[in-house]
Amino acid sequence: KQEVTQIPAALSVPEGENLVLNCSFTDSAIYNLQWFRQDPGKGLTSLLLIQSSQREQTSGRLNASLDKSSGRSTLYIAASQPGDSATYLCAVIRTGGSYIPTFGRGTSLIVHP
Amino acid sequence: SQTIHQWPATLVQPVGSPLSLECTVEGTSNPNLYWYRQAAGRGLQLLFYSVGIGQISSEVPQNLSASRPQDRQFILSSKKLLLSDSGFYLCACYAGRNTEAFFGQGTRLTVV
Repeated sequence: KQEVTQIPAALSVPEGENLVLNCSFTDSAIYNLQWFRQDPGKGLTSLLLIQSSQREQTSGRLNASLDKSSGRSTLYIAASQPGDSATYLCAVIRTGGSYIPTFGRGTSLIVHP
Repeated sequence: SQTIHQWPATLVQPVGSPLSLECTVEGTSNPNLYWYRQAAGRGLQLLFYSVGIGQISSEVPQNLSASRPQDRQFILSSKKLLLSDSGFYLCACYAGRNTEAFFGQGTRLTVV
């Protein structure tokens, strides 16, 4: 059974800092890994999708890396802003069977001015 | 691009009343569809998923059921709500191996 763990559970930083959020998974046989953002009371917004054959993806100030062999992904946020405050979740889809995303519990990020 | 419509956004229902939450998808055909529940302070719990019309798989035994009457429509139901059914319900869509999963905006259900 796939298990996904996100560390830290919560993070509070001053504006301008560079951040690293961590995601680990127990089964390396995955199709892809996806990072999401969730604002309070809202649905999940997709940030980045990394295919199993890829090492990283970038979008603006966000960079996500994937090391499938070690079961790890990191989300790097450069020059953090108060608008980045949200919960960040990662999800993996395991190979074989139905495409069921397995989620971590997320990292709650607060960026204060 | 894919869009997921989920309604209502909020719902307050008495214990014992029925429930129907609807989710429709635009911009893709034959997607996998999912219902998740997110309780306060907890992660996303997969409730049901569907790989096609009329095909429903349940992940957790509970007071809820799901149906997929059309390719891009997914419905979550209950005949009699319990207090423990309160939570944030999210519909999600996944169109295939090399695509992103997309989520609706969620329904906040409070059972009183």
